Amino acid sequence: GENVEQHPSTLSVQEGDSAVIKCTYSDSASNYFPWYKQELGKRPQLIIDIRSNVGEKKDQRIAVTLNKTAKHFSLHITETQPEDSAVYFCAGRSDMRFGAGTRLTVKP
Amino acid sequence: KAGVTQTPRYLIKTRGQQVTLSCSPISGHRSVSWYQQTPGQGLQFLFEYFSETQRNKGNFPGRFSGRQFSNSRSEMNVSTLELGDSALYLCASSWGGQGSGSYTGELFFGEGSRLTVL
Repeated sequence: GENVEQHPSTLSVQEGDSAVIKCTYSDSASNYFPWYKQELGKRPQLIIDIRSNVGEKKDQRIAVTLNKTAKHFSLHITETQPEDSAVYFCAGRSDMRFGAGTRLTVKP
Repeated sequence: KAGVTQTPRYLIKTRGQQVTLSCSPISGHRSVSWYQQTPGQGLQFLFEYFSETQRNKGNFPGRFSGRQFSNSRSEMNVSTLELGDSALYLCASSWGGQGSGSYTGELFFGEGSRLTVL
């Protein structure tokens, strides 16, 4: 199956700063790249996704960028808030495999 | 629209026993996937079922099995339980179209079944 590497595993930022999480994948056939957020004690939920025919997608303070040549995509969160604190998971394709997760902590 | 329902929510078993977990997907969703989540281990993919057929499988031993019924409800079974099987088991449903590598729709997760093996 697809290998999806996610970095960093933990990330701590000050409220108001930006946070970037990066994932790399190996399968050139991948064409769908979702990001899920899991708050403590809750189920994972989709926050943003991107198809391979698009280089960037934004939704308010979050954005995802895709570099198909380099086979990596990134989640960008601007103006971070304490409620952004969670574990974020990427998936490199739609065969349901996720990256190892990034624990983001936003310090007030 | 009702969400994904998993039962039981909590259960305690002893080593060597077996367990069956159930997942009822969102109405209209044909894909159900299962994950094992342990602290620090992320979401480990177990398998995915689509229209009663296993479409994808993760790297878990044969003690872990599953099935899907004609109404898309799914069950997973773990036989000969080991201490290391203690985890939160999550299922997720999606519309499931197209298949591996392509867009199959947003995954909607259940709240999970927390298994403790003593």
